[in-house]
Formats: sequence, C-alpha cells, structure tokens
Amino acid sequence: GNSVTQMEGPVTLSEEAFLTINCTYTATGYPSLFWYVQYPGEGLQLLLKATKADDKGSNKGFEATYRKETTSFHLEKGSVQVSDSAVYFCALLNTGNQFYFGTGTSLTVIP
Amino acid sequence: EAEVAQSPRYKITEKSQAVAFWCDPISGHATLYWYRQILGQGPELLVQFQDESVVDDSQLPKDRFSAERLKGVDSTLKIQPAELGDSAMYLCASSFSGGAAGNEQFFGPGTRLTVL
Repeated sequence: GNSVTQMEGPVTLSEEAFLTINCTYTATGYPSLFWYVQYPGEGLQLLLKATKADDKGSNKGFEATYRKETTSFHLEKGSVQVSDSAVYFCALLNTGNQFYFGTGTSLTVIP
Repeated sequence: EAEVAQSPRYKITEKSQAVAFWCDPISGHATLYWYRQILGQGPELLVQFQDESVVDDSQLPKDRFSAERLKGVDSTLKIQPAELGDSAMYLCASSFSGGAAGNEQFFGPGTRLTVL
C-alpha cells in the first residue's frame, strides 16, 4: 500500500536554528514526493517537490532529497525565520494519480 | 495567477441540516479532489474526479455525503444531514492531468464547517 509517515510535532525552534522534519514513505512503483505548507486558516501551498530518486527539491531556503534507498524525503532549512511558522505536510503521488498525506508537523519559530 | 476558488469560506449549521460547498478548479485541470481536514490532522481524501467521472470515493460516507462535477468543471460537495463530527475544514484541490509524474495539486482556501 501507500502511506507517508512524518515526525510528530510540535517543533519549536529559535530563529536562525537548523530545521529537519523527517518523512518516510511506503509506495508501490515510483511515486513523486512533495512538501506542502499550511499557514493558519489557509489551504495548503506547494513548497517543493521531487519526481525521481536522487532529485533535490528546493524553494525559499528549504530543501529535500528523494532517497529511494531509505524511502525518505526529509525537509531541511539551514536558518529558520519567524515567518516559517506553519504546519508542514509530506505527501506522495503514486502512478494512479492518488495523493497520500502525512499527518503534518507544526513548526513554531520564536524570535 | 490562477487559483482554486471555494465558497463559502465559513459555514455554521445546526445538526441535521443540509450544507453544500462549491469549488471551481483552475481552468484546464481535469482532476479535482475534495478533502476533509480535521484540526491537527492531515487532509483525508473524500472523492476524486477525473473530468466528470468519480475515480475514487472509497472514503466518502455515502449515506450522508454526495459530490458531483456534472460538466467536468466546477464541483459541489453536499452533506445531508450534517452531524457534529462533520465539523472540519473541507479543502478542494485540482491538478492538470492524471498519472503524470510531479503533477502537484493546487489547493483552494477551504471551507471551515462548524456543526452545532
């Protein structure tokens, strides 16, 4: 089957700290992988994606590398800002065009 | 920039009443999704359309929920009767086509439903 497992939150960091949010997946075939971000009261926004093994997605200082050998897609940022406070969702898209989301990780960055 | 539109943004209703939500996907997007998101959790797929056809409604509580996309463009999700446990955010998303690698979903702002 298909599933996504994210590290549980909430995560609280000081401004300029290093961020890692772990994500592992189970899928048949070769899925595409995504990170979405959700700000309070809003819908989800695409943060970055990777469509094949060893691809690195990046956007706004965030990065994630598609690791087929470890079935992982961990999100990283070298220096977080207060404005990065949000909920982050890891997701996969399988070859049947079905999306599977993780449960989300809440990040709070304090000044 | 094209966006997924949803209305209403907020809906308060009483238990046993009927409610309906509307979604207009990005023009040209053949695939449309309805999700329910309970506070503190990830989105849960309710129904997926490819054009006007339902391709997955396995998680849709069909005794009270219905969804349609008659002309393969905009879509309506209905709940009748609403129950207290239906209080959640209802998200609509669309994507360009089925099966292609990397076809991300674009989400609307959601409808926050509160059932009293």
